[in-house]
Amino acid sequence: EIVLTQSPGTLSLSPGERATLSCRASQSISSSFVAWYQQQPGQAPRLLIYAASSRATGIPDRFSGSGSGTDFTLTISRLEPEDFAVYYCQQYGDSPPFTFGPGTKVDIK
Amino acid sequence: QVQLQESGPGLVKPSETLSLTCAVSGGSISNFHWSWVRQPPGKGLEWIGYISYSGSTTYNPSLKSRVTISVDTSKNQFSLQLSAVTAADTAVYYCARVPPYYDILTGRYYYAYMDVWGKGTTVTVSS
Repeated sequence: EIVLTQSPGTLSLSPGERATLSCRASQSISSSFVAWYQQQPGQAPRLLIYAASSRATGIPDRFSGSGSGTDFTLTISRLEPEDFAVYYCQQYGDSPPFTFGPGTKVDIK
Repeated sequence: QVQLQESGPGLVKPSETLSLTCAVSGGSISNFHWSWVRQPPGKGLEWIGYISYSGSTTYNPSLKSRVTISVDTSKNQFSLQLSAVTAADTAVYYCARVPPYYDILTGRYYYAYMDVWGKGTTVTVSS
């Protein structure tokens, strides 16, 4: 089973700043199979990025994804107030097909 | 616009079976996979399993012995059953759609991410 590690656990930033979130896999995975989700308190996760770098429908272009092999990154270029949330990376593989990272919380500094 | 709505009992007794249904509106259940994900209080996301519109299932090995997912295309809904529940199964349960994704590198379709989610339903296991 591929294990995903996300860092940092918490990222404290101010609105307008740039956020860089990391997701590291225990073994190499295809970039086609990495996704990122945003979860606001009390809400369902929302798909932001799929295939490592493709933005989902309706996602602002301040969100971008990159990476390959074992290291993947979600970047938020300029934080808006609604971006303070928890972010999860997810990979698709063999068994189980879906695993999630533990999440990175982006909170207001 | 496709919407998903979970429904089912909010309280289940230990050792009993948890049963939830996800109603799909605004679109057909065909041509997609349909997934269940759960989130214990204050914790992260755990994938439970998914089903294709034709009824083929894949489950998380950690839950496989207790999970059954089924689909009813006539009602445009799919369901989750989790047997022999304990307090550790207390969580918010989400249903989600898994669209086909064409991988240019391999020339194959995969079901690799979840693009539409229900709002979730809280299930507490307690006597």
